[in-house]
Amino acid sequence: GENVEQHPSTLSVQEGDSAVIKCTYSDSASNYFPWYKQELGKRPQLIIDIRSNVGEKKDQRIAVTLNKTAKHFSLHITETQPEDSAVYFCAFTGGGNKLTFGTGTQLKVEL
Amino acid sequence: GAGVSQSPSNKVTEKGKDVELRCDPISGHTALYWYRQSLGQGLEFLIYFQGNSAPDKSGLPSDRFSAERTGGSVSTLTIQRTQQEDSAVYLCASSLAGTGVAGNTIYFGEGSWLTVV
Repeated sequence: GENVEQHPSTLSVQEGDSAVIKCTYSDSASNYFPWYKQELGKRPQLIIDIRSNVGEKKDQRIAVTLNKTAKHFSLHITETQPEDSAVYFCAFTGGGNKLTFGTGTQLKVEL
Repeated sequence: GAGVSQSPSNKVTEKGKDVELRCDPISGHTALYWYRQSLGQGLEFLIYFQGNSAPDKSGLPSDRFSAERTGGSVSTLTIQRTQQEDSAVYLCASSLAGTGVAGNTIYFGEGSWLTVV
């Protein structure tokens, strides 16, 4: 079945530094890779996504890269700010359009 | 509606009782998903509805769990004979079509917080 590994589980950075979260998936047929941000007690919200025909996508301080050969994709946050502190989940769509989520990364941006 | 609507937002129930959780997806969205999130944990897939196709029930943890979607819109997740381990946030999400279709992303509701005592 579909499987995804997400690393690290926790990440602490200083304000202004960059943060990188990586996910590795198993299903070579996967074609859609979103990232969600979940603040404490809130719903997950989409922050960026990428499709399999694209290698990189950027939106202001957030970027996602996809390596289909190695079956991994990464979230990059530059110039981190305290409001970036949250849990981040990667996800991918395998067979049947079911969205499978990673285990999450708790990001803490320290002043 | 403006977003995915779920009810109740909070539910406390006694062990052994049945509960029903409701989800009203974004108008026009044909795909509907249920996920479960235990405290501090990730998102566990439960079930997926897409249009008139047979639902993907592969994530339902036991036969105490069932879901239906009437008229291609509102969905109800039912948990029978609740157990303490069922305590979690139950998140519903919807998308215009399946996520494999270009341009479609899924949007989550606020969730139903279930506590079984």
